[in-house]
Amino acid sequence: AQKITQTQPGMFVQEKEAVTLDCTYDTSDPSYGLFWYKQPSSGEMIFLIYQGSYDQQNATEGRYSLNFQKARKSANLVISASQLGDSAMYFCAMREGRGAQKLVFGQGTRLTINP
Amino acid sequence: GAVVSQHPSWVICKSGTSVKIECRSLDFQATTMFWYRQFPKQSLMLMATSNEGSKATYEQGVEKDKFLINHASLTLSTLTVTSAHPEDSSFYICSATAGSSGANVLTFGAGSRLTVL
Repeated sequence: AQKITQTQPGMFVQEKEAVTLDCTYDTSDPSYGLFWYKQPSSGEMIFLIYQGSYDQQNATEGRYSLNFQKARKSANLVISASQLGDSAMYFCAMREGRGAQKLVFGQGTRLTINP
Repeated sequence: GAVVSQHPSWVICKSGTSVKIECRSLDFQATTMFWYRQFPKQSLMLMATSNEGSKATYEQGVEKDKFLINHASLTLSTLTVTSAHPEDSSFYICSATAGSSGANVLTFGAGSRLTVL
């Protein structure tokens, strides 16, 4: 079974609009971490935001926020006031277990911001 | 912040030759490094976990004799693709961690694009 599912292969959004990228996860471990990474065409993986399974509040980092709904096992990324430079692939990833380090990635969503 | 350097950033080789990719942590000691492979328009797939001073742990379906991983020091891990074939053409990315828990301790290299002719 897929550990991380991103159901949107591609998203097209008008500049300055907000966009939500979906991510659902599957784990039976009570301790886990959820990550979002941005991968521009250059290939580098840029860390955006992190949410721990025990965190009470949704994570925020500048224009990025994570809509964490634990009961639904979803961790959607919200980008406010989108910019042309936000066009990239976005990956949701999970790390399971206390002290674990390896990440499992979702299929990714290609976000295109239109001027 | 933590920086991971990967070299070469791209390499073209002939079928049957071996290619070595280096992953270095520049400003921290990486007890664990991870090697991922990414085919075009696909996600990152973990190949192996590399621990300093011990043998790498390979994910299911990854041939350890084909993808040799060496983590001889706390700042360097190498991936050698032996007897490369066109189907090995891919984007290889490493990530490194100092081993502490937390949010963003996994730092990624910029990746190495391998093309096998």
